[in-house]
Amino acid sequence: EPEVTQTPSHQVTQMGQEVILRCVPISNHLYFYWYRQILGQKVEFLVSFYNNEISEKSEIFDDQFSVERPDGSNFTLKIRSTKLEDSAMYFCATLTGVGNEQFFGPGTRLTVL
Amino acid sequence: AQTVTQSQPEMSVQEAETVTLSCTYDTSENNYYLFWYKQPPSRQMILVIRQEAYKQQNATENRFSVNFQKAAKSFSLKISDSQLGDTAMYFCAFGLGTGTASKLTFGTGTRLQVTL
Repeated sequence: EPEVTQTPSHQVTQMGQEVILRCVPISNHLYFYWYRQILGQKVEFLVSFYNNEISEKSEIFDDQFSVERPDGSNFTLKIRSTKLEDSAMYFCATLTGVGNEQFFGPGTRLTVL
Repeated sequence: AQTVTQSQPEMSVQEAETVTLSCTYDTSENNYYLFWYKQPPSRQMILVIRQEAYKQQNATENRFSVNFQKAAKSFSLKISDSQLGDTAMYFCAFGLGTGTASKLTFGTGTRLQVTL
């Protein structure tokens, strides 16, 4: 069964450093999402991406965040200058169409020291 | 904006018994979808069951079923014949049925412990 993959599984970085989280969506999926989950809290929407542009973003997704799909396969989330409060699990999700199941990747655990 | 509320932070059930997890939501939209996701200790998000709001019939998937009350904006999950592998966090989620964003809005989760 096709699946969403994410790399790395765990990233440790120093405050102020840039990180790039990578996701490989399922091949025929058209909509892409990033969510984050701070330890012990609920999953929060960051950004959605469709037709090579951002469809919607939350208030969490400020100027420090960016997304792109540089080569038609990878879908990346960049955090320009990480803060301690960016420590969380970051999930990529994809789906074929509105209302269908969103398939989640296994997540990247980001630890900012 | 949509909100999802799960009022039970933790629940416990004995193996083979039945348990019901509660979820309520608030929306002014008429076209939407509801989901239950399971998050085991690995933290992978796994879809358990999905309900279209326009369908009156409650969704079922093997031992999992929902009680969808649209007027009351309630969407509970019933797990029958609970198994140790059902131990996990369970998140209720709401998704709009229109537009290109279709983001999911999650509740705060219910931690379910299945005991012997």
